[in-house]
Amino acid sequence: DTAVSQTPKYLVTQMGNDKSIKCEQNLGHDTMYWYKQDSKKFLKIMFSYNNKELIINETVPNRFSPKSPDKAHLNLHINSLELGDSAVYFCASSQDPGAASYEQYFGPGTRLTVT
Amino acid sequence: RKEVEQDPGPFNVPEGATVAFNCTYSNSASQSFFWYRQDCRKEPKLLMSVYSSGNEDGRFTAQLNRASQYISLLIRDSKLSDSATYLCVVNPRGSFGNEKLTFGTGTRLTIIP
Repeated sequence: DTAVSQTPKYLVTQMGNDKSIKCEQNLGHDTMYWYKQDSKKFLKIMFSYNNKELIINETVPNRFSPKSPDKAHLNLHINSLELGDSAVYFCASSQDPGAASYEQYFGPGTRLTVT
Repeated sequence: RKEVEQDPGPFNVPEGATVAFNCTYSNSASQSFFWYRQDCRKEPKLLMSVYSSGNEDGRFTAQLNRASQYISLLIRDSKLSDSATYLCVVNPRGSFGNEKLTFGTGTRLTIIP
């Protein structure tokens, strides 16, 4: 029943490792997003995909690579993890970005801790 | 100047009181405005959209002042369950394609019994 799901919920890893976070939405939305929420609770968009195509890339280091195998999935792969990558990563989805109702539905978040 | 600014609080308010938050935005071309709510260690969820004429949803009233570039949220008869962080959200472009929402850092509200 979960509209937007993410796995894993918690991820603890060491610096230099490579890790992936998966996201799936069953709402039939065309657009999916990745956000980063840092320790100060500031929520900032990282990427946006519309129907499997990248439409927003907010100057994120290229160690972060999103992949959208289909419009229901948007995964995030992170190479060479750094301490500063520790944060909560939220996946979200919405209808066509031009729709008047622009509600974004968020996943439960993945709490990444890099040690 | 930040794109979206909010007073981080915390606001500690007795149950039953009325509380109001403001939020300012820097891009005068912004078209869409929202309030999201985020409970502790949870994901943000849409509380309400903000329309030009102002709008009300139960105990919640949202207002938009384009001239001064701020939006407000008023909560009447506050409940313990209203305790959360309230995020002011602006769509800076409001046009087709390349949309993104810009989130404020949030205002933390605690309702005290």
